[in-house]
Amino acid sequence: DAKTTQPNSMESNEEEPVHLPCNHSTISGTDYIHWYRQLPSQGPEYVIHGLTSNVNNRMASLAIAEDRKSSTLILHRATLRDAAVYYCILRDRDNYGQNFVFGPGTRLSVLP
Amino acid sequence: KAGVTQTPRYLIKTRGQQVTLSCSPISGHRSVSWYQQTPGQGLQFLFEYFSETQRNKGNFPGRFSGRQFSNSRSEMNVSTLELGDSALYLCASSLEAGHYYNEQFFGPGTRLTVL
Repeated sequence: DAKTTQPNSMESNEEEPVHLPCNHSTISGTDYIHWYRQLPSQGPEYVIHGLTSNVNNRMASLAIAEDRKSSTLILHRATLRDAAVYYCILRDRDNYGQNFVFGPGTRLSVLP
Repeated sequence: KAGVTQTPRYLIKTRGQQVTLSCSPISGHRSVSWYQQTPGQGLQFLFEYFSETQRNKGNFPGRFSGRQFSNSRSEMNVSTLELGDSALYLCASSLEAGHYYNEQFFGPGTRLTVL
């Protein structure tokens, strides 16, 4: 399975944009990039996913490098509620037997 | 629509006992996955059930087992509890199983403490 690497922790100021990087240098052509986050004392929640093109939704944007070996989750205006552990996960489009493999993720702290 | 519910939320057991945790998926979801989360190992996949069949299993000993009922509700059982089984056990449901686009919806978890 292709692996992802993320920084252990990042810090941001409230109301500023946050760019959370993820490296996946061994990504295959059929791997989708998914992001989940886990708020304190809660289960993880889906944030966004994409394949090649940049994606936007109400929570965040996903910017995918042209060679797909890295991606960046963008929170446009961080709030205190965005303090969480963010996980970058690869999901193979053609593998129906796969499970979710969570790495250690990036712990984002948001300062008021 | 109600989210994923897990019962009980907290549990204290002693070594050697067994425990059963329950998960009710979102209505209409047919896949249920279980995860163990510990500070040292992070989130680890236990197993996934779809249509009452185990489709996938993580690297855990046979003391960890599960099942799914016809209404998609799922239970997991841990026998002969060890101290290292103390963890947050998370259940996640999704519409289908295995598809790359599947969004998993997680419950709040059951916090198991083994003394």
